[in-house]
Amino acid sequence: ILNVEQSPQSLHVQEGDSTNFTCSFPSSNFYALHWYRWETAKSPEALFVMTLNGDEKKKGRISATLNTKEGYSYLYIKGSQPEDSATYLCAFGKGQGAQKLVFGQGTRLTINP
Amino acid sequence: DGGITQSPKYLFRKEGQNVTLSCEQNLNHDAMYWYRQDPGQGLRLIYYSQIVNDFQKGDIAEGYSVSREKKESFPLTVTSAQKNPTAFYLCASSIDRRRVNTEAFFGQGTRLTVV
Repeated sequence: ILNVEQSPQSLHVQEGDSTNFTCSFPSSNFYALHWYRWETAKSPEALFVMTLNGDEKKKGRISATLNTKEGYSYLYIKGSQPEDSATYLCAFGKGQGAQKLVFGQGTRLTINP
Repeated sequence: DGGITQSPKYLFRKEGQNVTLSCEQNLNHDAMYWYRQDPGQGLRLIYYSQIVNDFQKGDIAEGYSVSREKKESFPLTVTSAQKNPTAFYLCASSIDRRRVNTEAFFGQGTRLTVV
């Protein structure tokens, strides 16, 4: 059974603080690692798709790193804002195509004003 | 606006009844997917289709059926054979099934409750 684990499951952060959370995945048969942001009552939206060991991606205050050899990815949010409140999903790509994605259970982030 | 539309948002079904969830996309994507979400679990793949008139079982296909008669549409039928159908269902699409880094685009989901 292929496991993708996200930690922590939930997180409460004060507005303005920075935070990070983890996605752990198998270190073998790696094709890609996806991060999605899922706000309540909306659709999940892709943040990053990373394919190379050592990849670092950034979008505004959000960034992600990838270590395929040890099987983890970190998502960082700098200076959290209330609009960052969402569930963040990671998905491990075990082959070509989105049908090969294995999703973690998500990290639910709440920003306290 | 381009995107994926799922309907209805909420659906109630009596035990023993089949029910069909709608998914339409206007992104001109070849591939479409159905996922199921249960509390505390990651999204699990039910069925996917890479091209019109073709579809494949995902990890939890038992008790479900799909069709892909048009590129834009990928309806999911939850049959009475599905033992535990109460869940949140997400439809997704992607531009190219063969690319490693192709991202998925999602609908807003349908919450199905069996009463």
